[in-house]
Amino acid sequence: AQTVTQSQPEMSVQEAETVTLSCTYDTSESDYYLFWYKQPPSRQMILVIRQEAYKQQNATENRFSVNFQKAAKSFSLKISDSQLGDAAMYFCAYRRLWVNRDDKIIFGKGTRLHILP
Amino acid sequence: GAVVSQHPSWVICKSGTSVKIECRSLDFQATTMFWYRQFPKQSLMLMATSNEGSKATYEQGVEKDKFLINHASLTLSTLTVTSAHPEDSSFYICSARELRREGHYEQYFGPGTRLTVT
Repeated sequence: AQTVTQSQPEMSVQEAETVTLSCTYDTSESDYYLFWYKQPPSRQMILVIRQEAYKQQNATENRFSVNFQKAAKSFSLKISDSQLGDAAMYFCAYRRLWVNRDDKIIFGKGTRLHILP
Repeated sequence: GAVVSQHPSWVICKSGTSVKIECRSLDFQATTMFWYRQFPKQSLMLMATSNEGSKATYEQGVEKDKFLINHASLTLSTLTVTSAHPEDSSFYICSARELRREGHYEQYFGPGTRLTVT
């Protein structure tokens, strides 16, 4: 069974600094997606970034980038130039690439990120 | 991106009553919808997977008679909490899956419903 582990329950970073959130996962599949979701105080789940496992290049979305290490099964999120609006719970998540009807997203336990002004 | 709505956003009900939460995909057809429960400061816990026109598939430990799920159309799924008790108070999130092409889909999340049972 697939698992997603986030070992940092909480992190803090100074505004404008850079922070890295860690995530490891376990799967026997070779093709899959990895995601980082943000859940701000409103509790709306927001997709931050997605990585296809078959792509060597690390995904980037503006200030958000990932370090995807497939062999190590590691998928960290780097937030550059942290802003107050980045304060949220961040969930790392996994999903198979080829979906069957009942396939589901596997979520980690989350990392709460605090931004210090 | 595609939008998923939930109604109501917050509901208070008395112990022993039933409450229905609606989840709608506004601009796409969702063959599959998911219902999650989230306790404060915790991750999303999948309760059930709902396929249009079929019975829902419940995760282990979720009481199917207590949490009734109906997915009657490609844009609407409902979760009914029957005979609610204070321990059912939680945040419920639905998610809808849009099939883009064979085997590939996008999944979108609703804004959630806060249920308080008094």
